[in-house]
Amino acid sequence: GEDVEQSLFLSVREGDSSVINCTYTDSSSTYLYWYKQEPGAGLQLLTYIFSNMDMKQDQRLTVLLNKKDKHLSLRIADTQTGDSAIYFCAERYSSASKIIFGSGTRLSIRP
Amino acid sequence: EAGVTQFPSHSVIEKGQTVTLRCDPISGHDNLYWYRRVMGKEIKFLLHFVKESKQDESGMPNNRFLAERTGGTYSTLKVQPAELEDSGVYFCASSQGTSLADTQYFGPGTRLTVL
Repeated sequence: GEDVEQSLFLSVREGDSSVINCTYTDSSSTYLYWYKQEPGAGLQLLTYIFSNMDMKQDQRLTVLLNKKDKHLSLRIADTQTGDSAIYFCAERYSSASKIIFGSGTRLSIRP
Repeated sequence: EAGVTQFPSHSVIEKGQTVTLRCDPISGHDNLYWYRRVMGKEIKFLLHFVKESKQDESGMPNNRFLAERTGGTYSTLKVQPAELEDSGVYFCASSQGTSLADTQYFGPGTRLTVL
């Protein structure tokens, strides 16, 4: 089945790390994505990971994939006010071109 | 290079009226997708065009929705007649190919409110 789940809200203090979690159900997923949507803007692809990888790091972003538990996480180090946005977890498998999204996690930063 | 553009950015209509959303993909992208996010829920796939042909329209909710892509360039999504539950944000995306390596680039979305 197709189902991607994530928590709706996360609040962190500026300078702390943010960890946004996601679970997915489709074991045949080949690509897993994190998209960011800032207010009034479109969806921006932040990073992605192949399903045969465990971890990917890109500057302040770290993606961890636990295939056994079907759990994906996005860690943002040294969270800044500009990181305030909605973060969508998504998956795609090789037999289809559509992307399956979660409901999005709204990240808010407090001073 | 211009990104995916969508028009209008916002639309407010009354139940029973007709609305047409437009999407201009990135120049040269044969693949065009429509998605929507209803009531703050997940973003759901509606359909996929390859040039002017509908490759996958499995996500279209019902026959009140009509998508076209005449000439394989821009696309329109018409909702007729609109219902309250159609309110949400409609996203368009485009990609050069359909392999997993082909990124789908999203537009800013059209926020549709049906009163």
